Amino acid sequence: IAGITQAPTSQILAAGRRMTLRCTQDMRHNAMYWYRQDLGLGLRLIHYSNTAGTTGKGEVPDGYSVSRANTDDFPLTLASAVPSQTSVYFCASSEGPGGSGDTQYFGPGTRLTVL
Amino acid sequence: GQNIDQPTEMTATEGAIVQINCTYQTSGFNGLFWYQQHAGEAPTFLSYNVLDGLEEKGRFSSFLSRSKGYSYLLLKELQMKDSASYLCAPMDSNYQLIWGAGTKLIIKP
Repeated sequence: IAGITQAPTSQILAAGRRMTLRCTQDMRHNAMYWYRQDLGLGLRLIHYSNTAGTTGKGEVPDGYSVSRANTDDFPLTLASAVPSQTSVYFCASSEGPGGSGDTQYFGPGTRLTVL
Repeated sequence: GQNIDQPTEMTATEGAIVQINCTYQTSGFNGLFWYQQHAGEAPTFLSYNVLDGLEEKGRFSSFLSRSKGYSYLLLKELQMKDSASYLCAPMDSNYQLIWGAGTKLIIKP
């Protein structure tokens, strides 16, 4: 593994189903982030974690939960998916916090469609 | 509130120079990042400015004026592979990046 990986690459999900998007980084970065990106809108922060064992809410946290049991992994769970959660989801990490150390490096993304 | 303003789309010719402007309003300021994002791919880091002035990195340069809440990305000797979206992202007082919708740059031969 080099950098950040995300799984799955894409997924079609029935509304009401539970889904976990996986994110793993091997850079030993302290901070990790989940964003969603919708057409015509900027990246919107869902949840973040400044260090293992801590998490925080971003701009659009409703309907999503995260955990950070260790440095490398930061899964995002949709407890009961709804069509408005159709989006491209990016995981990112940074050395954090502050200055150029907060440069965020992104995973390849997960394209999620909720029907 | 926090706000980013960038042009939605720009067109330029291969070999030319283009400047992508960004104005911002944030709660506090801890630097500004520029990212490039090709269609269907993840954003990739281009530059970081925390002090006023110009930072040059090969064909790409980025400028910051903190007092004006203004930055620009300058791309020289444009190549077809520079066709992408360019995202301006200032960092607020909580060290969170505030993302604009980005500028789609189209390069024509």
